[in-house]
Amino acid sequence: QVQLVESGGGVVQPGRSLRLSCAGSGFTFSVNGIHWVRQAPGKGLEWVAVIWNDGSKKYYADSVKGRFTISRDNSKNTVYVQMNSLRAEDTAIYYCARDEWGNDYKTLDYWGQGTLVTVSS
Amino acid sequence: QSVLTQPPSASGTPGQRVTISCSGSSSNIGSNSVNWYQQLPGTAPKLLIYSQNQRPSGVPDRFSGSKSGTSASLDISGLQSEDEADYYCTAWDDSLNGYVFGTGTKVTVL
Repeated sequence: QVQLVESGGGVVQPGRSLRLSCAGSGFTFSVNGIHWVRQAPGKGLEWVAVIWNDGSKKYYADSVKGRFTISRDNSKNTVYVQMNSLRAEDTAIYYCARDEWGNDYKTLDYWGQGTLVTVSS
Repeated sequence: QSVLTQPPSASGTPGQRVTISCSGSSSNIGSNSVNWYQQLPGTAPKLLIYSQNQRPSGVPDRFSGSKSGTSASLDISGLQSEDEADYYCTAWDDSLNGYVFGTGTKVTVL
């Protein structure tokens, strides 16, 4: 069955860096784009970034542009997000999700369980 | 960042019908398919509806969706206690090159 497992979360001081990983299994990893979506405590969902299946395209939310970098290693079935210059407002559960595109639809069909990032001094 | 607008809350008694609206714009709902997610407390979002009105395997048929222009809606008919959760709409946004999410609606079963 399709599984996505995030790791790398933790407590980090403002201005420092953290790298999250998303490991996929149960599907051909190189076929699907992968997204990061975050949810601040008690708040709604916010899209963060996407990387195309072959890594050829990457897009970011304005709130993280220039600070976060998404990448992938299809040989390891893993997507990463390098988060630099972290701010208190980056505190959230970070989910990775699989992109599925059909003839007339786009959706995020499978999600990981999330990893918590807390930015605090 | 642009978001889709949902009512903050909705409620009903068991067996009733609840409808959640989702308002967007021409760059997202107006030109792309709509998805709905259910998020139970402490868990990851679960895909409920994709492509406006399609249910993934295992989703009960009391959940249905529709879209018209730049708006969409989720209907829950025959409300059950286990439907108490947060619900989010989402759509790809062509100007953002990413997904925009709704503000979320908390459904309470009275």
